[in-house]
Amino acid sequence: DQQVKQNSPSLSVQEGRISILNCDYTNSMFDYFLWYKKYPAEGPTFLISISSIKDKNEDGRFTVFLNKSAKHLSLHIVPSQPGDSAVYFCAASAGRNSGNTPLVFGKGTRLSVIA
Amino acid sequence: DAMVIQNPRYQVTQFGKPVTLSCSQTLNHNVMYWYQQKSSQAPKLLFHYYDKDFNNEADTPDNFQSRRPNTSFCFLDIRSPGLGDAAMYLCATSRELQGHTEAFFGQGTRLTVV
Repeated sequence: DQQVKQNSPSLSVQEGRISILNCDYTNSMFDYFLWYKKYPAEGPTFLISISSIKDKNEDGRFTVFLNKSAKHLSLHIVPSQPGDSAVYFCAASAGRNSGNTPLVFGKGTRLSVIA
Repeated sequence: DAMVIQNPRYQVTQFGKPVTLSCSQTLNHNVMYWYQQKSSQAPKLLFHYYDKDFNNEADTPDNFQSRRPNTSFCFLDIRSPGLGDAAMYLCATSRELQGHTEAFFGQGTRLTVV
């Protein structure tokens, strides 16, 4: 059973518009969530994270929203740029108070930003 | 400068012939992980080392082994590769066990089994 689900395998967005990538999780013990970005032939690189004590974290053009009751998080990229075209992985883990589990990844969403 | 380095980037091996993938880090992180990622799938954790303590995921096949001779290096040994083991293998490190710390990934080794 997938504990972290990214139900959209791909997303196309016009340059300058908002990209919204979604992620759902099933394990209520998860309390830390991360987004990774992966270009072809490279390893995933960390983008942004959020702890379960928050519902929003912002870093420049990137904002992650967390809805714990719905077990849902989303990554917003505004404005989208062609260089944002990549595969985005959602990942989750449980911290020290919840068993300290390694990261569990979703399958990824391929974002294409069209100029 | 690369902080997590995987060698080789591409590896072709014969069915049943043992193969070793290597990973090194310059971050002096305590934890090193090996993930397997097949096409359009989520990266799947195979095992991790916390310092010298080895932790195997319950569903990791016995065919997969790992060694960590020192802080900087970690190896993935596949004793008898099958066609189903063809995948991208990702090494990652983190300062502490992945509770609230990010992991740093290498570029991966793409393994082909012929």
